[in-house]
Formats: sequence, C-alpha cells, structure tokens
Amino acid sequence: NAGVTQTPKFRVLKTGQSMTLLCAQDMNHEYMYWYRQDPGMGLRLIHYSVGEGTTAKGEVPDGYNVSRLKKQNFLLGLESAAPSQTSVYFCASSPRLGRGYEQYFGPGTRLTVT
Amino acid sequence: GQQVMQIPQYQHVQEGEDFTTYCNSSTTLSNIQWYKQRPGGHPVFLIQLVKSGEVKKQKRLTFQFGEAKKNSSLHITATQTTDVGTYFCAGSNLEYGNKLVFGAGTILRVKS
Repeated sequence: NAGVTQTPKFRVLKTGQSMTLLCAQDMNHEYMYWYRQDPGMGLRLIHYSVGEGTTAKGEVPDGYNVSRLKKQNFLLGLESAAPSQTSVYFCASSPRLGRGYEQYFGPGTRLTVT
Repeated sequence: GQQVMQIPQYQHVQEGEDFTTYCNSSTTLSNIQWYKQRPGGHPVFLIQLVKSGEVKKQKRLTFQFGEAKKNSSLHITATQTTDVGTYFCAGSNLEYGNKLVFGAGTILRVKS
C-alpha cells in the first residue's frame, strides 16, 4: 500500500495564478483533511471531508476550495494564489473522526507564491 | 474556539540529556494524540491517550495525560540523535466536532 500520496511535491506560482493539489489514499478511509504548516504555527486545518461528495470548512478555509468526487481522492484548489499562501500543504486521512483514529499524512507539497 | 498551546517552541539538548514538551488545552479534551515529524518529513502518529491521568511508555518516551484532561506531556529519557524532529500534540473534543487541533510543535535538536 502506498498510503497517502500527494502531487506535486513542489510548485512555484505567481500571484493570481491557480492550481490544484491532489491527494490520494489507498486505505479506504472515510475522512480526509488538508492542512497547511507554517513556521511556529503548527498544522492548521483548511478543509476536510467526512465522505465521498462531502466537504467542510476547517480553521483557515479562505482562499481555498476542495472537492471529493471519489472516496480515495481529495483535491485542494487555489483559484487566485497570494503570497500569504506560501506554505507546506499536507493531506491526511483517517478511518473516522475522533478518539481512536490516528491520522495518516502524505509527504507534503511545498508551495511558493511570488 | 478550541486552542492547544505547546511549549517550549524549541529545545537544543546534548545527546544523553532528557527532554520534555508540554501541551495545554483551553478546553477539556476527549483524547490527545502525539505526532513526530522528522526534518523534511511528514507527521507520523506516535500514540493516543484517552483516560484521565493516563501514562504510556514507548521505550525511552513517556506520555502523560493530565487528571483534568486539559494537559499532556511527552518526556524523552537520554535523547539520541535519532530523536531529532518536531513533536506535535493534537487534541480533540466532541464539543468542537472531534476535529484534531494541533499545537505549534516543539522542535528538538540533539548535539552529539
């Protein structure tokens, strides 16, 4: 099993450009998450999904959109990138939400917006 | 909203010394999880604590959950260079939809 994979690994965007980050998991997990990691701020939840066809806002959703058309995939979109979105983005999945369910993280995407 | 604070932000120790990181929540937690992220890597789950006053050990690592379920600690005995990385605590609470809220992490550097 590959676990959680993310593409691309690195990307440089210019302000105003758009892009989509792809997350895939092969563990048949119901829940998937997108986090951003910035120095000194830990991991902050952007959006999450509790199942195919569902999405919900996390702590820092502004400027991002997501879709979960297939259970194994969770896409994160930036419609008009801004320098403040320079960050490392991690996707994660878990069987369910809450106690007893650890999250499995992908390798991350390092995004720079100039 | 729910907040999880973690201290210290950074610690540099000599190999063989002990290390402790502390986690405090603004609300009572239903559980707390600990993750380790190696430099350049991704967070990896270490352990979960769910009971008040719970203590769990993994070799040189000791995890505690406070009696009030609002704080936790991770203690590493006799650090090794392989312990280098960032340690995150993450708590969840039914009141806030059971989503994990991560602390800012403690960066551990070990001098050999």
